[in-house]
Amino acid sequence: EAQVTQNPRYLITVTGKKLTVTCSQNMNHEYMSWYRQDPGLGLRQIYYSMNVEVTDKGDVPEGYKVSRKEKRNFPLILESPSPNQTSLYFCASLPGLATDTQYFGPGTRLTVL
Amino acid sequence: AQKITQTQPGMFVQEKEAVTLDCTYDTSDQSYGLFWYKQPSSGEMIFLIYQGSYDEQNATEGRYSLNFQKARKSANLVISASQLGDSAMYFCAMRSSGGYNKLIFGAGTRLAVHP
Repeated sequence: EAQVTQNPRYLITVTGKKLTVTCSQNMNHEYMSWYRQDPGLGLRQIYYSMNVEVTDKGDVPEGYKVSRKEKRNFPLILESPSPNQTSLYFCASLPGLATDTQYFGPGTRLTVL
Repeated sequence: AQKITQTQPGMFVQEKEAVTLDCTYDTSDQSYGLFWYKQPSSGEMIFLIYQGSYDEQNATEGRYSLNFQKARKSANLVISASQLGDSAMYFCAMRSSGGYNKLIFGAGTRLAVHP
């Protein structure tokens, strides 16, 4: 089954404790993105990747890092989480520019105390 | 700047009636795509329908149709014969040609279907 998986689905942590949210897709897609969703703001892109070792900032990259060492994986790293990073996070993938469908992961609900 | 505006924070509709969720967009690109997603209370994002800027006909997918008015820059979602399971958050989004497939989302509209 074609899918994007994220782990963990729920996480409560404390300020400053490094964490990683994993994202994996089994569709051999080139493009992957991370979004965060906040009430009244919809989803905003954090980082994206066009292929292995090619990443770039989205609209709200501050406080986040990503890496793309393998095509299928695109982890989101919070080196020193802060309460304003409490949010619902989505990973997404798609095969290329000429596509009309973006595949979203199930979401990770993060709370930073 | 590219922007999606959803002016209805919340809507309600009676079961079996049709409902229109509004979406206006702003872009200077000639080539772009418009999407609608549904987010139920469980949180996942479910793709509903897509309209390309060069598509001459309005997109339809089952009970969902997209009322695309290019000159007015609007892309309203019409849900016909509403069902209780349609109660959810609905997001309009836009992808521009130069955006590496970044989706720009509106703030969303929460739809409640009443029996």
